Amino acid sequence: DTEVTQTPKHLVMGMTNKKSLKCEQHMGHRAMYWYKQKAKKPPELMFVYSYEKLSINESVPSRFSPECPNSSLLNLHLHALQPEDSALYLCASSSLLRDSYYGYTFGSGTRLTVV
Amino acid sequence: AQSVTQLGSHVSVSEGALVLLRCNYSSSVPPYLFWYVQYPNQGLQLLLKYTTGATLVKGINGFEAEFKKSETSFHLTKPSAHMSDAAEYFCAVSETSGTYKYIFGTGTRLKVLA
Repeated sequence: DTEVTQTPKHLVMGMTNKKSLKCEQHMGHRAMYWYKQKAKKPPELMFVYSYEKLSINESVPSRFSPECPNSSLLNLHLHALQPEDSALYLCASSSLLRDSYYGYTFGSGTRLTVV
Repeated sequence: AQSVTQLGSHVSVSEGALVLLRCNYSSSVPPYLFWYVQYPNQGLQLLLKYTTGATLVKGINGFEAEFKKSETSFHLTKPSAHMSDAAEYFCAVSETSGTYKYIFGTGTRLKVLA
């Protein structure tokens, strides 16, 4: 299995809702990443987990809360989002954090719309 | 600090013509360099990478790139464009120490004309 699976593919949520994005990989990768991508822009790093521990938080607002329950699963909990948070949210993984030179495997993303 | 510059946010080529997408980087240490492709409403897919060794790197779908240290460039080429190559292409550089973060270029949208 050489895929990163993200669910749901599309999500529409109100500003008062609480929702979660899910990311799963079964490649034995120990580094996992959340990226946010606005239209016609490159991905922006949000969070990095290495061995299930948060390694990097790129000063992301607290309305985004990541979680890594085990080595295969990465969640992003969303609460009280703003319309400007609407974007494509991408999950990625790599074998190890230091092995980023092998390249990342990206999921297909969750298209989030905040209304 | 490392940075990546992609010249040309939009490139149009005719089907069968040469594809050339430009990427220049800035780095104080030897970088790791990557090209990713993104099709509409999809994630990013690794096309090819340069880490060490041979400076001409071959990737998937007939693409290749050459690392030129003297020019700080890593341009992506394909001899003959196909309609299916139409997509967004991102060049990226990875830090080789510390946090090993990726730094992405702003992307180049490739359009292939019939």
